[in-house]
Amino acid sequence: ETGVTQSPTHLIKTRGQQVTLRCSSQSGHNTVSWYQQALGQGPQFIFQYYREEENGRGNFPPRFSGLQFPNYSSELNVNALELDDSALYLCASSLVGLDEQYFGPGTRLTVT
Amino acid sequence: GESVGLHLPTLSVQEGDNSIINCAYSNSASDYFIWYKQESGKGPQFIIDIRSNMDKRQGQRVTVLLNKTVKHLSLQIAATQPGDSAVYFCAENRRGISSGSARQLTFGSGTQLTVLP
Repeated sequence: ETGVTQSPTHLIKTRGQQVTLRCSSQSGHNTVSWYQQALGQGPQFIFQYYREEENGRGNFPPRFSGLQFPNYSSELNVNALELDDSALYLCASSLVGLDEQYFGPGTRLTVT
Repeated sequence: GESVGLHLPTLSVQEGDNSIINCAYSNSASDYFIWYKQESGKGPQFIIDIRSNMDKRQGQRVTVLLNKTVKHLSLQIAATQPGDSAVYFCAENRRGISSGSARQLTFGSGTQLTVLP
């Protein structure tokens, strides 16, 4: 186990709703990255947070937003949910300057 | 388009045989690659990494080979065991175009390895 935890494990939302996913990083890690993994695909980078600020973003629209807190935990918020947002959402923590990212188990989001 | 991709979506091997999983990439400037294993219901787990100044790296039962000439890397698993059954991803670890200092992972689509008894 990596020490990265995510909540909730699963959730079901309706199209148009908003969702918040949570991640607690591994002890001592100050950087959190979020990835979206559609069924049968590899994870895709959403964004990364360091020092409570967005430190890089992949090809995702602004309705995907995040927060990082002083204890380095993080939230991923998705507004105006679409059916294609159904996926496994993974967070990964790391130490800035070091390259290895440690993944949590993910949150399975289903949008109906 | 994606910058890394895997050659086969599925691979079946007999228990005890060696497994070889292949991956190609398109960016000749890519300098750092990681292999991940993802079991059902879990997040990706780091297996082994390799930087572009190396062409081979060995771990416990695993070897990664990097051929920069043809932009290809492979993961070899020796004496494959039932516990090796999982989806395997190669990922490029690089700084994004718009990501400042952030290093981001770009994953291929994965190979499902099934170990037969």
